[in-house]
Amino acid sequence: DQQVKQNSPSLSVQEGRISILNCDYTNSMFDYFLWYKKYPAEGPTFLISISSIKDKNEDGRFTVFLNKSAKHLSLHIVPSQPGDSAVYFCAASAWGAQKLVFGQGTRLTINP
Amino acid sequence: ETGVTQSPTHLIKTRGQQVTLRCSSQSGHNTVSWYQQALGQGPQFIFQYYREEENGRGNFPPRFSGLQFPNYSSELNVNALELDDSALYLCASSLDGGLRSPLHFGNGTRLTVT
Repeated sequence: DQQVKQNSPSLSVQEGRISILNCDYTNSMFDYFLWYKKYPAEGPTFLISISSIKDKNEDGRFTVFLNKSAKHLSLHIVPSQPGDSAVYFCAASAWGAQKLVFGQGTRLTINP
Repeated sequence: ETGVTQSPTHLIKTRGQQVTLRCSSQSGHNTVSWYQQALGQGPQFIFQYYREEENGRGNFPPRFSGLQFPNYSSELNVNALELDDSALYLCASSLDGGLRSPLHFGNGTRLTVT
């Protein structure tokens, strides 16, 4: 039962343009959402998070949008840079739970 | 500030053998979580240790076990290895068992079972 889904295994974007990565979830108990970025041979690194009491959180070039009624979140990267090429994981947790539930990841490639 | 370190980086074992993976948590962090990442998948929660006690477990069989030491470092032990145990094993540390502060991951141990 895949509670967090990233339906696009890969995404290719031109440098300077906007990258939009999408994530859907099914568990209505999830109230905290995060995005992690992973380079080859490294562990995931935290990018940005959002609580369910908000619908938007921004940090520099990165913005996460949450649509609770649709159980959907997205990560926007503007402008995209070559160093953004990596695998991006969406993750979710419920209050009091000890675990993060991850999606399958989306491989983002930024083309010069 | 020292980050999360894991050892070894790579390991090859034979089916039926036992393996121990090690993790040193980030300075100041008292909680360690272990995740398994199979090829092409996202990380899956194995268990969490908080102040030397297991504090939550995912859908993994009992042959996956762990320990946390007084210095908050941790071990993941897997007995009776199966081919499907081949994966990247990630350790993550955090403060106080909660998930409202982001997990800090190590670079993982790549386990291959033949």
